[in-house]
Amino acid sequence: TQLLEQSPQFLSIQEGENLTVYCNSSSVFSSLQWYRQEPGEGPVLLVTVVTGGEVKKLKRLTFQFGDARKDSSLHITAAQPGDTGLYLCAGCVNDYKLSFGAGTTVTVRA
Amino acid sequence: ETGVTQTPRHLVMGMTNKKSLKCEQHLGHNAMYWYKQSAKKPLELMFVYSLEERVENNSVPSRFSPECPNSSHLFLHLHTLQPEDSALYLCASSQDQAVGGLGYTFGSGTRLTVV
Repeated sequence: TQLLEQSPQFLSIQEGENLTVYCNSSSVFSSLQWYRQEPGEGPVLLVTVVTGGEVKKLKRLTFQFGDARKDSSLHITAAQPGDTGLYLCAGCVNDYKLSFGAGTTVTVRA
Repeated sequence: ETGVTQTPRHLVMGMTNKKSLKCEQHLGHNAMYWYKQSAKKPLELMFVYSLEERVENNSVPSRFSPECPNSSHLFLHLHTLQPEDSALYLCASSQDQAVGGLGYTFGSGTRLTVV
């Protein structure tokens, strides 16, 4: 049983459209991180959210941490082909251990 | 320079071979990790080293043997692997074992194929 469930598993959209990726769990996390992984590379950290209800913006990317610190979402506005990749969420189970979701593969068509 | 370098990038090995994966970080981090990434599955934590001491071994088969000779280098020695061990093996480092808000820095991975 996965600790973190990501949805959808796959997402294909046209350039300029918006998209949202979800990360859900029944567990409470002290913090949650989002990574993006491009083909042939390792994941790269995008953001860390710590406080319940927190919203962080990184250019066209908006990250939200649920009030109960059990879920999170990633919203991309006006997606570009460069946003293509595997988006992974990871919850901090304790001080040092991260639990990863299976990821959402996003494809942005030009 | 990503800060975490893994070699080789690709490896094909037979089930009777012995090979090693290498990871090197130049970030001054104190904790290093091995993860296994298989298709459609979450990243699986294999080993954690903090200040060169192994602090976690996540029920990994003995055909995988880690080695951390110093805080900058991490190896994964492989022997008598099975085809189901084929995957992307990722090395990561963090400032210390308490991940907190700083997250992991990953290497580019080694794509391993066992034939």
